[in-house]
Amino acid sequence: KAGVTQTPRYLIKTRGQQVTLSCSPISGHRSVSWYQQTPGQGLQFLFEYFSETQRNKGNFPGRFSGRQFSNSRSEMNVSTLELGDSALYLCASSRLESVDEQFFGPGTRLTVL
Amino acid sequence: GENVEQHPSTLSVQEGDSAVIKCTYSDSASNYFPWYKQELGKRPQLIIDIRSNVGEKKDQRIAVTLNKTAKHFSLHITETQPEDSAVYFCAASKGGSYIPTFGRGTSLIVHP
Repeated sequence: KAGVTQTPRYLIKTRGQQVTLSCSPISGHRSVSWYQQTPGQGLQFLFEYFSETQRNKGNFPGRFSGRQFSNSRSEMNVSTLELGDSALYLCASSRLESVDEQFFGPGTRLTVL
Repeated sequence: GENVEQHPSTLSVQEGDSAVIKCTYSDSASNYFPWYKQELGKRPQLIIDIRSNVGEKKDQRIAVTLNKTAKHFSLHITETQPEDSAVYFCAASKGGSYIPTFGRGTSLIVHP
């Protein structure tokens, strides 16, 4: 069974631009969570989608948004990029309605110049 | 909300030694405690988890213990090997649809 995949793996953007990241969960998984990982802050939760609905949301500004499609694939969008948005963005999928036992993707490394 | 403290932030051991990483949590309603291992440049991977209805769980050289009264849980790695070198994250959750709160991570270095 294929694991969680994320595209693109690396991105370089400039301040003020916007970016869209994509995540394909493990087949059959319906929950997709997004995390921002930085050396200083660790793993911070962004949001979680289940059956196309945002079920949980972390403490990030409205510039960060996401959605989930009927095939459970998810995208996250960051508008008006800031230097502090440089991070590894990880998505994770879970098999059941529970978000226990999350399986992570390889991440998208975003660099904002 | 939940707060998870993880110690130490860095742990250096010799091959063959044991390593222990400790986490404390604040929300007594938390009942699911996973541990993730993240090797350099790779994705976090679930290595072991424990639920509040058990006090200890083992999987080969890895074990996790949980003390609900004190609200802390620990990861124990015995007979460490260089390939155990990685960052380890603990997390706590109320289970179900509740998102886990992660600790800041422990960088484990195993010297050959």
